[in-house]
Amino acid sequence: DSGVTQTPKHLITATGQRVTLRCSPRSGDLSVYWYQQSLDQGLQFLIQYYNGEERAKGNILERFSAQQFPDLHSELNLSSLELGDSALYFCASSVMGTGDRGNREGYTFGSGTRLTVV
Amino acid sequence: SQELEQSPQSLIVQEGKNLTINCTSSKTLYGLYWYKQKYGEGLIFLMMLQKGGEEKSHEKITAKLDEKKQQSSLHITASQPSHAGIYLCGAHRSYNTDKLIFGTGTRLQVFP
Repeated sequence: DSGVTQTPKHLITATGQRVTLRCSPRSGDLSVYWYQQSLDQGLQFLIQYYNGEERAKGNILERFSAQQFPDLHSELNLSSLELGDSALYFCASSVMGTGDRGNREGYTFGSGTRLTVV
Repeated sequence: SQELEQSPQSLIVQEGKNLTINCTSSKTLYGLYWYKQKYGEGLIFLMMLQKGGEEKSHEKITAKLDEKKQQSSLHITASQPSHAGIYLCGAHRSYNTDKLIFGTGTRLQVFP
């Protein structure tokens, strides 16, 4: 157990629907990162939150949004789902935000949520 | 195109053989991480390199970051079936960000 908890582990939904993925970071970690992993695109950075605020944005679609709550857990909302959104979605956490120069422990990843859009 | 290119994309080796995986960038890397991923599971942190010329080892896995900090290699000695998985390199693109970008991944299979 890495300490980063992601739920649900698996999700099957239809095109056009909306889903919410949840992540609880490792105890003491203030930053949460969301990644999408698909066969053709590899592991792509979506968005980072640090202590409740958005800190960095990557290749995140407008149909996707995220937030981090006061208890530091984070949710990734995916709407108007398309077949191409099927992927593994990972959450990672680290102690610090910007300025964490080479966290020597690396980021701690959750086990992911496998989303299948049918 | 990917900012971090890994080679080879896949590797099949016999148990006991040595192997090397490379991670190459066209730009300077700030903080180079190696992770291992079992199929469909999360990423496990292996090691992190920051200084040019730095080399680190953990059990039978050694990673190096070249002097110019644009390439890293991961070397496994006497491979075992437990080494099988996907190896991913990750890096920061600048000094002022802790966003990690990842390489394309190398799938390693080790057969008895």
